[in-house]
Amino acid sequence: KAGVTQTPRYLIKTRGQQVTLSCSPISGHRSVSWYQQTPGQGLQFLFEYFSETQRNKGNFPGRFSGRQFSNSRSEMNVSTLELGDSALYLCASSLGRGAMGGHEQYFGPGTRLTVT
Amino acid sequence: QKEVEQNSGPLSVPEGAIASLNCTYSDRGSQSFFWYRQYSGKSPELIMFIYSNGDKEDGRFTAQLNKASQYVSLLIRDSQPSDSATYLCAVSAFSGGYNKLIFGAGTRLAVHP
Repeated sequence: KAGVTQTPRYLIKTRGQQVTLSCSPISGHRSVSWYQQTPGQGLQFLFEYFSETQRNKGNFPGRFSGRQFSNSRSEMNVSTLELGDSALYLCASSLGRGAMGGHEQYFGPGTRLTVT
Repeated sequence: QKEVEQNSGPLSVPEGAIASLNCTYSDRGSQSFFWYRQYSGKSPELIMFIYSNGDKEDGRFTAQLNKASQYVSLLIRDSQPSDSATYLCAVSAFSGGYNKLIFGAGTRLAVHP
Protein backbone atom coordinates (compact mmCIF):
# COMPACT_ATOMS: atom_id res chain seq x y z
CA LYS A 1 0.00 0.00 0.00
CA ALA A 2 1.42 3.39 -0.98
CA GLY A 3 2.29 5.77 1.84
CA VAL A 4 1.42 9.40 2.38
CA THR A 5 2.75 11.66 -0.34
CA GLN A 6 3.39 15.37 -0.17
CA THR A 7 4.19 17.86 -2.89
CA PRO A 8 6.30 19.78 -3.38
CA ARG A 9 9.14 18.50 -1.23
CA TYR A 10 11.03 21.79 -1.16
CA LEU A 11 9.87 25.33 -1.69
CA ILE A 12 11.46 28.75 -1.49
CA LYS A 13 9.20 31.78 -1.26
CA THR A 14 9.62 35.44 -0.40
CA ARG A 15 7.85 37.36 2.34
CA GLY A 16 4.33 38.40 1.45
CA GLN A 17 3.77 35.62 -1.06
CA GLN A 18 1.35 32.76 -0.55
CA VAL A 19 1.93 29.04 -0.84
CA THR A 20 -0.18 25.91 -1.30
CA LEU A 21 1.00 22.51 -0.16
CA SER A 22 -0.60 19.22 -1.13
CA CYS A 23 -1.02 15.92 0.68
CA SER A 24 -2.36 12.59 -0.57
CA PRO A 25 -3.24 10.18 2.27
CA ILE A 26 -2.91 6.42 2.41
CA SER A 27 -5.68 4.77 0.43
CA GLY A 28 -8.74 4.31 2.63
CA HIS A 29 -7.70 6.93 5.17
CA ARG A 30 -10.20 9.71 5.62
CA SER A 31 -8.41 11.87 8.17
CA VAL A 32 -5.58 14.21 7.27
CA SER A 33 -3.75 16.28 9.87
CA TRP A 34 -1.21 19.00 9.23
CA TYR A 35 1.73 19.92 11.45
CA GLN A 36 4.45 22.54 11.44
CA GLN A 37 7.84 21.50 12.74
CA THR A 38 10.62 23.91 13.62
CA PRO A 39 13.77 23.33 15.70
CA GLY A 40 12.59 25.70 18.40
CA GLN A 41 8.89 24.78 18.66
CA GLY A 42 8.87 21.11 17.83
CA LEU A 43 5.81 19.57 16.20
CA GLN A 44 2.87 21.96 16.26
CA PHE A 45 -0.64 20.90 15.22
CA LEU A 46 -2.26 23.04 12.55
CA PHE A 47 -5.58 21.37 11.74
CA GLU A 48 -7.27 18.09 10.95
CA TYR A 49 -9.74 17.28 8.22
CA PHE A 50 -12.09 14.32 8.11
CA SER A 51 -14.52 13.69 5.26
CA GLU A 52 -13.96 17.19 3.88
CA THR A 53 -14.71 18.88 7.23
CA GLN A 54 -12.25 20.58 9.54
CA ARG A 55 -12.83 19.01 12.93
CA ASN A 56 -9.81 20.19 14.91
CA LYS A 57 -7.72 23.32 14.75
CA GLY A 58 -4.52 24.39 16.47
CA ASN A 59 -3.45 27.85 17.59
CA PHE A 60 -2.28 29.33 14.34
CA PRO A 61 -3.32 32.63 12.74
CA GLY A 62 -5.95 32.78 10.04
CA ARG A 63 -3.21 33.03 7.39
CA PHE A 64 -3.03 29.25 7.67
CA SER A 65 -5.95 27.47 6.07
CA GLY A 66 -6.71 24.13 4.56
CA ARG A 67 -9.24 22.03 2.81
CA GLN A 68 -9.95 18.44 1.96
CA PHE A 69 -11.41 17.04 -1.21
CA SER A 70 -13.84 14.19 -1.71
CA ASN A 71 -10.98 11.79 -2.49
CA SER A 72 -9.43 12.71 0.93
CA ARG A 73 -6.53 14.60 -0.63
CA SER A 74 -5.82 17.76 1.31
CA GLU A 75 -4.21 21.10 0.69
CA MET A 76 -2.99 23.73 3.08
CA ASN A 77 -2.45 27.35 2.19
CA VAL A 78 -0.39 30.00 3.88
CA SER A 79 -1.02 33.56 2.80
CA THR A 80 1.18 36.62 3.34
CA LEU A 81 4.22 34.56 4.23
CA GLU A 82 6.47 35.67 7.08
CA LEU A 83 10.09 34.69 7.79
CA GLY A 84 8.88 32.73 10.81
CA ASP A 85 6.83 30.45 8.58
CA SER A 86 10.01 28.73 7.44
CA ALA A 87 9.56 25.17 8.64
CA LEU A 88 8.97 21.56 7.73
CA TYR A 89 5.27 21.06 7.04
CA LEU A 90 4.09 17.55 7.64
CA CYS A 91 0.84 15.89 6.89
CA ALA A 92 -0.32 12.67 8.48
CA SER A 93 -3.19 10.40 7.57
CA SER A 94 -5.27 7.97 9.61
CA LEU A 95 -8.54 6.10 9.41
CA GLY A 96 -9.79 8.71 11.84
CA ARG A 97 -12.78 6.93 13.27
CA GLY A 98 -13.73 5.19 16.49
CA ALA A 99 -13.06 5.98 20.12
CA MET A 100 -10.28 3.41 20.29
CA GLY A 101 -8.04 2.40 17.47
CA GLY A 102 -8.01 3.69 13.92
CA HIS A 103 -6.23 6.85 14.97
CA GLU A 104 -2.66 5.84 14.30
CA GLN A 105 -1.23 8.62 12.18
CA TYR A 106 1.23 7.98 9.37
CA PHE A 107 3.36 10.86 8.21
CA GLY A 108 4.36 11.93 4.75
CA PRO A 109 7.92 13.02 3.95
CA GLY A 110 7.09 16.69 4.49
CA THR A 111 7.49 19.90 2.55
CA ARG A 112 10.40 22.07 3.59
CA LEU A 113 9.39 25.69 3.16
CA THR A 114 11.98 28.45 3.25
CA VAL A 115 10.78 32.06 3.35
CA THR A 116 13.34 34.71 2.42
CA GLN B 1 2.13 22.51 32.46
CA LYS B 2 2.77 20.93 29.08
CA GLU B 3 0.21 18.35 28.04
CA VAL B 4 2.82 15.75 27.06
CA GLU B 5 6.25 15.92 28.66
CA GLN B 6 9.45 14.19 27.67
CA ASN B 7 13.03 14.64 28.77
CA SER B 8 14.80 16.30 25.83
CA GLY B 9 18.00 14.33 26.39
CA PRO B 10 20.27 13.43 24.85
CA LEU B 11 20.00 10.00 26.37
CA SER B 12 23.28 8.27 25.69
CA VAL B 13 23.50 4.48 25.92
CA PRO B 14 26.16 2.00 24.80
CA GLU B 15 25.47 -0.41 21.97
CA GLY B 16 23.68 -3.51 23.20
CA ALA B 17 22.18 -1.82 26.26
CA ILE B 18 18.51 -1.15 27.03
CA ALA B 19 17.35 2.39 26.28
CA SER B 20 14.43 3.61 28.39
CA LEU B 21 12.41 6.57 27.15
CA ASN B 22 9.73 8.13 29.31
CA CYS B 23 6.69 10.28 28.76
CA THR B 24 4.04 11.75 31.08
CA TYR B 25 0.73 13.28 30.09
CA SER B 26 -1.75 15.53 31.82
CA ASP B 27 -5.15 14.56 30.36
CA ARG B 28 -6.62 11.64 32.33
CA GLY B 29 -9.08 11.07 29.49
CA SER B 30 -6.29 10.08 27.11
CA GLN B 31 -6.96 6.74 25.51
CA SER B 32 -4.35 6.06 22.85
CA PHE B 33 -0.59 6.37 23.08
CA PHE B 34 2.00 6.36 20.34
CA TRP B 35 5.75 6.35 19.90
CA TYR B 36 7.35 7.81 16.81
CA ARG B 37 10.97 7.72 15.73
CA GLN B 38 12.36 10.67 13.78
CA TYR B 39 15.76 10.68 12.16
CA SER B 40 17.37 14.04 11.53
CA GLY B 41 15.89 15.68 8.44
CA LYS B 42 13.20 13.00 8.07
CA SER B 43 9.55 12.76 9.01
CA PRO B 44 8.30 10.88 12.10
CA GLU B 45 7.78 7.14 11.73
CA LEU B 46 5.24 5.28 13.87
CA ILE B 47 6.96 2.45 15.73
CA MET B 48 4.56 1.50 18.54
CA PHE B 49 1.06 2.21 19.79
CA ILE B 50 -0.65 1.03 22.96
CA TYR B 51 -4.19 1.40 24.28
CA SER B 52 -4.35 -0.74 27.43
CA ASN B 53 -2.45 -0.71 30.69
CA GLY B 54 0.55 -3.00 30.73
CA ASP B 55 3.22 -3.93 28.26
CA LYS B 56 3.16 -4.37 24.51
CA GLU B 57 6.14 -5.92 22.78
CA ASP B 58 7.17 -5.74 19.14
CA GLY B 59 10.62 -7.07 18.34
CA ARG B 60 13.20 -5.09 20.29
CA PHE B 61 10.62 -2.50 21.32
CA THR B 62 8.35 -2.63 24.37
CA ALA B 63 5.79 0.04 25.17
CA GLN B 64 4.59 0.29 28.76
CA LEU B 65 1.45 2.14 29.84
CA ASN B 66 0.34 3.07 33.35
CA LYS B 67 -2.82 5.16 33.14
CA ALA B 68 -3.08 5.60 36.92
CA SER B 69 0.32 7.31 36.93
CA GLN B 70 -0.28 8.94 33.52
CA TYR B 71 2.96 7.50 32.31
CA VAL B 72 4.02 5.76 29.13
CA SER B 73 7.47 4.47 28.30
CA LEU B 74 9.37 2.87 25.46
CA LEU B 75 12.11 0.32 26.02
CA ILE B 76 14.56 -0.50 23.28
CA ARG B 77 16.49 -3.70 23.90
CA ASP B 78 19.88 -4.44 22.36
CA SER B 79 20.23 -0.81 21.26
CA GLN B 80 22.01 -0.26 17.96
CA PRO B 81 23.69 2.88 16.57
CA SER B 82 20.91 2.92 13.96
CA ASP B 83 18.44 3.55 16.81
CA SER B 84 20.02 6.98 17.32
CA ALA B 85 17.15 9.38 16.61
CA THR B 86 14.59 11.57 18.32
CA TYR B 87 11.68 9.67 19.84
CA LEU B 88 8.35 11.45 20.01
CA CYS B 89 5.61 10.45 22.41
CA ALA B 90 2.07 11.25 21.27
CA VAL B 91 -1.14 11.01 23.25
CA SER B 92 -4.66 10.98 21.86
CA ALA B 93 -7.80 11.91 23.73
CA PHE B 94 -11.30 11.30 22.43
CA SER B 95 -13.37 14.34 23.20
CA GLY B 96 -16.53 15.74 21.68
CA GLY B 97 -16.60 13.05 19.02
CA TYR B 98 -13.11 13.74 17.76
CA ASN B 99 -9.66 12.44 18.48
CA LYS B 100 -6.80 14.88 18.85
CA LEU B 101 -3.14 13.87 18.91
CA ILE B 102 -0.77 15.83 21.17
CA PHE B 103 2.98 15.39 20.71
CA GLY B 104 5.75 15.75 23.22
CA ALA B 105 8.90 17.65 22.29
CA GLY B 106 10.85 14.43 21.88
CA THR B 107 13.86 12.73 23.47
CA ARG B 108 17.12 12.48 21.56
CA LEU B 109 18.68 9.05 21.85
CA ALA B 110 22.35 8.50 21.06
CA VAL B 111 23.63 4.92 20.91
CA HIS B 112 27.40 4.78 20.87
CA PRO B 113 29.47 1.77 19.71
